[in-house]
Amino acid sequence: NAGVTQTPKFQVLKTGQSMTLQCAQDMNHNSMYWYRQDPGMGLRLIYYSASEGTTDKGEVPNGYNVSRLNKREFSLRLESAAPSQTSVYFCASSPQWGAGELFFGEGSRLTVL
Amino acid sequence: SQQGEEDPQALSIQEGENATMNCSYKTSINNLQWYRQNSGRGLVHLILIRSNEREKHSGRLRVTLDTSKKSSSLLITASRAADTASYFCATGSSGGSYIPTFGRGTSLIVHP
Repeated sequence: NAGVTQTPKFQVLKTGQSMTLQCAQDMNHNSMYWYRQDPGMGLRLIYYSASEGTTDKGEVPNGYNVSRLNKREFSLRLESAAPSQTSVYFCASSPQWGAGELFFGEGSRLTVL
Repeated sequence: SQQGEEDPQALSIQEGENATMNCSYKTSINNLQWYRQNSGRGLVHLILIRSNEREKHSGRLRVTLDTSKKSSSLLITASRAADTASYFCATGSSGGSYIPTFGRGTSLIVHP
């Protein structure tokens, strides 16, 4: 009963390094999302994938890229990490676009020095 | 920018008391959802209320929606220490483009 699995759970990067956050869901959901959560800012949408084969920008896409590898997996890449990208990143999925309930992973805590 | 905004930002109560938190939003919605987040964990869906509904119950949770005032409230009755968490509302916009948008959350502390 895994649900949404994110890796890694913790990561420390130096400014300018790159990395990829992985997300996989085993619920056969069509839509997937990446959010970031910062203190006092709530959750902000970075990118989303309404269905396999499509990706779109959210509220704060700058500095990020995504790949919907297949129906199960949706990865988030930081090409050149900056301290402003220090945050907790959450992946979520939903059965259909506009279906309502989101299922979240446990988060990936990223620190950029 | 956040569509939904929760109020108050923080709430501290004693076990057994009721907890009420509110969410206001700006544009028309097709549904509104409430989520809970325990410290260091992901968000967990609590309840969804559609724009044509006025009230919904789930266990000790009661959600109301007033579309004329663009606001919703979440009531947790007979609070327990285990209810200590942050609570977020999320709105789904109407008009064919659904992007789940979250507020900043209400931090609830229930003292045993």
